[in-house]
Amino acid sequence: AQSVTQLDSQVPVFEEAPVELRCNYSSSVSVYLFWYVQYPNQGLQLLLKYLSGSTLVKGINGFEAEFNKSQTSFHLRKPSVHISDTAEYFCAVRSFMDSNYQLIWGAGTKLIIKP
Amino acid sequence: EAQVTQNPRYLITVTGKKLTVTCSQNMNHEYMSWYRQDPGLGLRQIYYSMNVEVTDKGDVPEGYKVSRKEKRNFPLILESPSPNQTSLYFCASSLSPQSGLGELFFGEGSRLTVL
Repeated sequence: AQSVTQLDSQVPVFEEAPVELRCNYSSSVSVYLFWYVQYPNQGLQLLLKYLSGSTLVKGINGFEAEFNKSQTSFHLRKPSVHISDTAEYFCAVRSFMDSNYQLIWGAGTKLIIKP
Repeated sequence: EAQVTQNPRYLITVTGKKLTVTCSQNMNHEYMSWYRQDPGLGLRQIYYSMNVEVTDKGDVPEGYKVSRKEKRNFPLILESPSPNQTSLYFCASSLSPQSGLGELFFGEGSRLTVL
């Protein structure tokens, strides 16, 4: 069964520094990949998604992610973070072969921006 | 405005007292789902519905019921709440997920405490 691992539960980073949030998934079958963001006291919203095509995907708020099939990874990056990026970030995967079309979620990574 | 609305947003109740958390979406989405979010565990799916009168269990359905009598509404019912159901609950909806394009739209969450 598919599983998603977010390797860091928390990532502290200084404002204006670059950041990478890591996500690995288990199965090598064809997948759709997503990153969602949850700002404090809010629901989740889609940050970006990979369905097919270019392996570098750009999302909202200056974030981007790169799909690496050989390493089964979908790491999220931003070249310069702002205090407003403080949030929890969730990676999710949907397998082509899953007849129920369910998303499998990672445990989340809290991005902590230090002033 | 396109949205998913959950009520109540906050609720404190006692063990055994039946409660319902309502969820309504105004986007004509076929797919709806309930998740619970607990620290360190990410999002876990409780139940989902692919369309009216079609519901199925997610990963943690025990102690919960759902119904989908209308396309826009997907209430979550706790017949006899217990303290281990204390959690943050999210309702989400999307267009048909079969295409993989089904971005999930989330409500703002319902924080439930069972004493």
